[in-house]
Amino acid sequence: QKEVEQNSGPLSVPEGAIASLNCTYSDRGSQSFFWYRQYSGKSPELIMFIYSNGDKEDGRFTAQLNKASQYVSLLIRDSQPSDSATYLCAVTGTALIFGKGTTLSVSS
Amino acid sequence: GAGVSQSPSNKVTEKGKDVELRCDPISGHTALYWYRQSLGQGLEFLIYFQGNSAPDKSGLPSDRFSAERTGGSVSTLTIQRTQQEDSAVYLCASSFGTSGDTEAFFGQGTRLTVV
Repeated sequence: QKEVEQNSGPLSVPEGAIASLNCTYSDRGSQSFFWYRQYSGKSPELIMFIYSNGDKEDGRFTAQLNKASQYVSLLIRDSQPSDSATYLCAVTGTALIFGKGTTLSVSS
Repeated sequence: GAGVSQSPSNKVTEKGKDVELRCDPISGHTALYWYRQSLGQGLEFLIYFQGNSAPDKSGLPSDRFSAERTGGSVSTLTIQRTQQEDSAVYLCASSFGTSGDTEAFFGQGTRLTVV
């Protein structure tokens, strides 16, 4: 069974701090890795994708991938209260499999 | 349409009844997914369609659940003899594929309540 594991949180950070979200996956054949954000009562929306080892930066967001360790992370710099949401890690080999998500709370 | 469309938005049904949930993906998207999200939980994978290939049904929780995709477009998820534990939001997503930078776009979901 392909699994994607995330710490459910909640992760609480003050405004302006760096939030670090982590994810591990079980299928070594996984090819692409995604971070989605889901606000309460809403559908998930894509923040970033990554498929090569290393870092990928997009504005305040940095995704990090280490295929040898089967580990994906998302860093959010200068966290804002509007970043408060559940962050879902997703992985594809064939189907798109999601972790259970980490709830982030940014306090002002 | 402009986005993934799901219907109905809300469905209340009596225990033991059958329900059908519909998903209309973005035009041209070959991949279509169904997920179930219970309150406060993550997305539970149910089934995946990719083009004309046989669907990946590995996530369907029981034989009461089935799905089809007609003409490579609209999909219907059917739940037979509904149970209270089937109550959840059912989300559909579509994408051009699953590799590289392919983004999956989600519909607004169908909230199913079994009473």
